[in-house]
Amino acid sequence: AQSVAQPEDQVNVAEGNPLTVKCTYSVSGNPYLFWYVQYPNRGLQFLLKYITGDNLVKGSYGFEAEFNKSQTSFHLKKPSALVSDSALYFCAVRDRGTGRRALTFGSGTRLQVQP
Amino acid sequence: GAVVSQHPSWVICKSGTSVKIECRSLDFQATTMFWYRQFPKQSLMLMATSNEGSKATYEQGVEKDKFLINHASLTLSTLTVTSAHPEDSSFYICSARDGARAISRTYNEQFFGPGTRLTVL
Repeated sequence: AQSVAQPEDQVNVAEGNPLTVKCTYSVSGNPYLFWYVQYPNRGLQFLLKYITGDNLVKGSYGFEAEFNKSQTSFHLKKPSALVSDSALYFCAVRDRGTGRRALTFGSGTRLQVQP
Repeated sequence: GAVVSQHPSWVICKSGTSVKIECRSLDFQATTMFWYRQFPKQSLMLMATSNEGSKATYEQGVEKDKFLINHASLTLSTLTVTSAHPEDSSFYICSARDGARAISRTYNEQFFGPGTRLTVL
């Protein structure tokens, strides 16, 4: 079975400061990992993904995430937060070793960037 | 490219009626589509996976006779909530997987629709 944990319900950060949104995963094989952002009453927007290769993945809007296999983590980061980054962020995983193509999502972390 | 649309974006209906939600991939062929539901302040929960031309695979606990899924073409899947009740009120989100062309840049990626908010009175 595959699962994702986002230990923080909410992250607060001041504008201009670096931000980190945590994600850990559990799969039986190797993972595909994703980050999505959701604005109120909207669908999910893709931010970035890890498939293979470099552990540091760069995505949209200045976000990046680092795949850490030993810690089974895929934390989302941004060097300098913007107020407009305030939204709900979801980490998702898919086990490459199974035929299951659906994503399993974490519980979500609300990011609040204060001006 | 790789846009997924949903229609309607919101719907209000009376208890006992049926509601159909459409999910379309606008510029790619979606061999697989997924239906999720999201309750307020909660994560997305997978309801079912549908492959074009075959029956949908439902997750445990999801009533297939209540949530009818049809994926008749490579660009359209529909979710029909039959005999809707207030507890079916939720945000329904579809996603589509570009699985038709292995050379496509978006091959094997999933793209999400904007969601449909269903309110059952």
